[in-house]
Amino acid sequence: DVKVTQSSRYLVKRTGEKVFLECVQDMDHENMFWYRQDPGLGLRLIYFSYDVKMKEKGDIPEGYSVSREKKERFSLILESASTNQTSMYLCASSERGRLVYEQYFGPGTRLTVT
Amino acid sequence: GQNIDQPTEMTATEGAIVQINCTYQTSGFNGLFWYQQHAGEAPTFLSYNVLDGLEEKGRFSSFLSRSKGYSYLLLKELQMKDSASYLCAVRDRSNDYKLSFGAGTTVTVRA
Repeated sequence: DVKVTQSSRYLVKRTGEKVFLECVQDMDHENMFWYRQDPGLGLRLIYFSYDVKMKEKGDIPEGYSVSREKKERFSLILESASTNQTSMYLCASSERGRLVYEQYFGPGTRLTVT
Repeated sequence: GQNIDQPTEMTATEGAIVQINCTYQTSGFNGLFWYQQHAGEAPTFLSYNVLDGLEEKGRFSSFLSRSKGYSYLLLKELQMKDSASYLCAVRDRSNDYKLSFGAGTTVTVRA
Protein backbone atom coordinates (compact mmCIF):
# COMPACT_ATOMS: atom_id res chain seq x y z
CA ASP A 1 0.00 0.00 0.00
CA VAL A 2 1.10 3.52 -0.78
CA LYS A 3 1.83 5.50 2.29
CA VAL A 4 1.98 9.28 2.37
CA THR A 5 2.81 10.77 5.74
CA GLN A 6 2.78 14.37 6.92
CA SER A 7 4.85 15.68 9.79
CA SER A 8 2.00 17.00 11.94
CA ARG A 9 -1.76 16.51 12.15
CA TYR A 10 -2.31 19.80 13.97
CA LEU A 11 -0.16 22.91 14.09
CA VAL A 12 -0.68 26.32 15.70
CA LYS A 13 1.59 29.19 14.64
CA ARG A 14 1.70 32.93 15.15
CA THR A 15 1.39 35.54 12.41
CA GLY A 16 4.76 36.22 10.81
CA GLU A 17 6.33 32.91 11.77
CA LYS A 18 8.06 30.74 9.18
CA VAL A 19 6.26 27.42 8.90
CA PHE A 20 7.51 24.14 7.41
CA LEU A 21 5.13 21.34 6.47
CA GLU A 22 6.81 18.07 5.57
CA CYS A 23 5.49 15.25 3.42
CA VAL A 24 7.09 11.87 2.78
CA GLN A 25 5.93 9.09 0.45
CA ASP A 26 7.32 5.57 0.38
CA MET A 27 6.32 4.37 -3.11
CA ASP A 28 9.03 6.01 -5.22
CA HIS A 29 6.47 8.27 -6.92
CA GLU A 30 7.78 10.95 -9.25
CA ASN A 31 4.96 13.45 -8.71
CA MET A 32 4.14 15.18 -5.45
CA PHE A 33 1.54 17.86 -4.70
CA TRP A 34 0.50 20.30 -2.02
CA TYR A 35 -3.15 21.35 -1.69
CA ARG A 36 -5.13 23.37 0.77
CA GLN A 37 -8.71 22.47 1.55
CA ASP A 38 -11.24 25.03 2.76
CA PRO A 39 -14.99 24.63 3.29
CA GLY A 40 -16.96 25.41 0.15
CA LEU A 41 -13.82 25.77 -1.96
CA GLY A 42 -12.62 22.20 -2.20
CA LEU A 43 -9.02 21.26 -2.79
CA ARG A 44 -6.88 23.93 -4.41
CA LEU A 45 -3.43 23.17 -5.76
CA ILE A 46 -0.61 25.25 -4.29
CA TYR A 47 2.49 23.69 -5.87
CA PHE A 48 3.51 20.45 -7.44
CA SER A 49 6.74 18.72 -8.34
CA TYR A 50 7.32 16.13 -11.07
CA ASP A 51 10.94 15.37 -10.19
CA VAL A 52 13.66 16.15 -7.65
CA LYS A 53 14.44 19.86 -7.58
CA MET A 54 11.62 20.56 -10.08
CA LYS A 55 8.55 22.53 -9.09
CA GLU A 56 5.64 24.24 -10.73
CA LYS A 57 3.14 26.71 -9.39
CA GLY A 58 -0.40 25.56 -8.94
CA ASP A 59 -3.48 27.73 -8.76
CA ILE A 60 -2.71 29.57 -5.50
CA PRO A 61 1.08 29.76 -4.95
CA GLU A 62 1.18 33.25 -3.42
CA GLY A 63 2.65 33.25 0.07
CA TYR A 64 4.08 29.74 -0.28
CA SER A 65 7.27 28.10 -1.50
CA VAL A 66 8.34 24.47 -1.79
CA SER A 67 11.44 22.34 -1.69
CA ARG A 68 12.13 18.91 -3.11
CA GLU A 69 15.70 17.82 -2.46
CA LYS A 70 14.93 14.09 -2.33
CA LYS A 71 12.44 12.08 -4.34
CA GLU A 72 10.47 10.92 -1.33
CA ARG A 73 10.16 14.27 0.44
CA PHE A 74 8.28 17.43 -0.52
CA SER A 75 8.18 20.41 1.82
CA LEU A 76 5.78 23.34 1.87
CA ILE A 77 7.07 26.58 3.36
CA LEU A 78 5.09 29.54 4.56
CA GLU A 79 7.70 32.30 4.67
CA SER A 80 5.62 34.57 6.90
CA ALA A 81 2.42 32.97 8.07
CA SER A 82 -0.77 34.99 7.93
CA THR A 83 -4.23 34.33 9.35
CA ASN A 84 -5.67 33.70 5.87
CA GLN A 85 -3.37 30.69 5.61
CA THR A 86 -5.30 28.93 8.34
CA SER A 87 -6.47 25.81 6.53
CA MET A 88 -6.17 22.06 6.09
CA TYR A 89 -3.07 21.21 4.05
CA LEU A 90 -2.97 17.95 2.12
CA CYS A 91 0.02 16.38 0.44
CA ALA A 92 -0.38 13.85 -2.38
CA SER A 93 1.81 11.75 -4.64
CA SER A 94 1.29 9.92 -7.92
CA GLU A 95 3.22 7.71 -10.25
CA ARG A 96 4.31 8.91 -13.67
CA GLY A 97 3.82 6.68 -16.67
CA ARG A 98 0.53 5.08 -15.65
CA LEU A 99 -2.65 5.89 -17.53
CA VAL A 100 -4.81 6.59 -14.52
CA TYR A 101 -2.38 8.71 -12.46
CA GLU A 102 -4.56 8.58 -9.35
CA GLN A 103 -3.18 10.62 -6.50
CA TYR A 104 -2.58 9.19 -3.04
CA PHE A 105 -3.16 11.61 -0.19
CA GLY A 106 -1.64 12.03 3.23
CA PRO A 107 -3.81 12.51 6.34
CA GLY A 108 -3.51 16.31 6.27
CA THR A 109 -2.16 19.00 8.56
CA ARG A 110 -4.65 21.37 10.11
CA LEU A 111 -2.79 24.66 10.47
CA THR A 112 -4.10 27.50 12.59
CA VAL A 113 -2.38 30.88 12.37
CA THR A 114 -3.23 33.25 15.21
CA GLY B 1 -8.87 26.20 -16.11
CA GLN B 2 -11.82 24.09 -15.16
CA ASN B 3 -15.18 25.03 -13.68
CA ILE B 4 -16.45 22.05 -11.71
CA ASP B 5 -19.87 22.00 -10.06
CA GLN B 6 -21.41 19.47 -7.73
CA PRO B 7 -24.17 19.72 -5.12
CA THR B 8 -23.11 20.71 -1.63
CA GLU B 9 -25.11 18.18 0.37
CA MET B 10 -27.29 15.10 -0.09
CA THR B 11 -29.13 12.93 2.39
CA ALA B 12 -30.35 9.38 1.83
CA THR B 13 -31.59 6.38 3.78
CA GLU B 14 -29.60 3.25 4.50
CA GLY B 15 -30.14 0.71 1.72
CA ALA B 16 -31.20 3.34 -0.81
CA ILE B 17 -29.42 4.68 -3.91
CA VAL B 18 -27.90 8.13 -4.27
CA GLN B 19 -26.61 9.80 -7.43
CA ILE B 20 -24.08 12.61 -7.15
CA ASN B 21 -23.81 14.76 -10.26
CA CYS B 22 -20.76 16.65 -11.44
CA THR B 23 -20.59 19.07 -14.35
CA TYR B 24 -17.39 20.54 -15.69
CA GLN B 25 -16.07 22.91 -18.31
CA THR B 26 -12.59 22.39 -19.67
CA SER B 27 -10.76 23.13 -22.89
CA GLY B 28 -8.92 19.80 -23.03
CA PHE B 29 -10.62 17.04 -21.03
CA ASN B 30 -8.35 14.13 -20.17
CA GLY B 31 -10.05 12.15 -17.44
CA LEU B 32 -12.39 12.49 -14.47
CA PHE B 33 -11.81 11.09 -10.99
CA TRP B 34 -14.05 10.53 -8.01
CA TYR B 35 -12.60 10.48 -4.49
CA GLN B 36 -14.20 9.69 -1.14
CA GLN B 37 -13.20 11.64 1.95
CA HIS B 38 -14.41 10.76 5.44
CA ALA B 39 -14.41 13.59 7.96
CA GLY B 40 -10.89 14.27 9.21
CA GLU B 41 -9.31 11.79 6.83
CA ALA B 42 -7.43 11.81 3.54
CA PRO B 43 -9.31 11.54 0.23
CA THR B 44 -9.17 8.05 -1.26
CA PHE B 45 -9.51 7.18 -4.94
CA LEU B 46 -12.83 5.65 -6.02
CA SER B 47 -13.03 5.70 -9.81
CA TYR B 48 -11.69 7.04 -13.07
CA ASN B 49 -13.49 7.73 -16.36
CA VAL B 50 -11.91 8.91 -19.58
CA LEU B 51 -14.30 7.43 -22.15
CA ASP B 52 -18.07 7.81 -22.27
CA GLY B 53 -20.08 5.25 -20.40
CA LEU B 54 -20.48 3.53 -17.08
CA GLU B 55 -17.71 2.06 -14.94
CA GLU B 56 -18.94 -0.27 -12.20
CA LYS B 57 -17.04 -1.22 -9.08
CA GLY B 58 -19.17 -3.17 -6.65
CA ARG B 59 -21.74 -0.86 -5.04
CA PHE B 60 -20.23 2.21 -6.71
CA SER B 61 -20.57 3.17 -10.38
CA SER B 62 -19.37 6.23 -12.25
CA PHE B 63 -20.73 7.56 -15.53
CA LEU B 64 -19.25 10.01 -18.00
CA SER B 65 -20.62 11.98 -20.95
CA ARG B 66 -17.83 14.04 -22.50
CA SER B 67 -20.13 15.84 -24.94
CA LYS B 68 -22.27 17.08 -22.05
CA GLY B 69 -19.40 17.75 -19.65
CA TYR B 70 -21.20 15.59 -17.12
CA SER B 71 -20.46 12.76 -14.76
CA TYR B 72 -22.27 11.07 -11.89
CA LEU B 73 -21.28 8.78 -9.07
CA LEU B 74 -23.93 6.24 -8.13
CA LEU B 75 -23.87 4.70 -4.68
CA LYS B 76 -26.12 1.65 -4.30
CA GLU B 77 -27.26 -0.23 -1.19
CA LEU B 78 -26.16 2.65 0.97
CA GLN B 79 -24.45 1.85 4.25
CA MET B 80 -23.81 4.13 7.22
CA LYS B 81 -20.09 4.03 6.45
CA ASP B 82 -20.81 5.71 3.09
CA SER B 83 -21.45 8.98 4.95
CA ALA B 84 -18.58 11.09 3.60
CA SER B 85 -17.68 13.84 1.19
CA TYR B 86 -17.38 12.86 -2.48
CA LEU B 87 -15.00 14.88 -4.63
CA CYS B 88 -15.14 15.18 -8.40
CA ALA B 89 -11.82 16.04 -10.08
CA VAL B 90 -10.93 16.70 -13.70
CA ARG B 91 -7.61 16.35 -15.48
CA ASP B 92 -6.79 18.60 -18.41
CA ARG B 93 -4.73 17.57 -21.43
CA SER B 94 -2.53 20.65 -21.06
CA ASN B 95 -1.04 19.22 -17.87
CA ASP B 96 -1.30 15.54 -17.09
CA TYR B 97 -0.11 15.95 -13.54
CA LYS B 98 -2.74 18.34 -12.31
CA LEU B 99 -6.23 17.64 -11.04
CA SER B 100 -8.83 20.36 -10.54
CA PHE B 101 -11.31 19.52 -7.80
CA GLY B 102 -14.91 20.44 -7.21
CA ALA B 103 -15.93 21.64 -3.75
CA GLY B 104 -17.27 18.19 -2.82
CA THR B 105 -20.67 16.74 -1.98
CA THR B 106 -21.35 15.72 1.62
CA VAL B 107 -23.54 12.63 1.73
CA THR B 108 -25.31 11.77 4.97
CA VAL B 109 -26.78 8.29 5.30
CA ARG B 110 -29.61 7.97 7.80
CA ALA B 111 -30.85 4.79 9.44
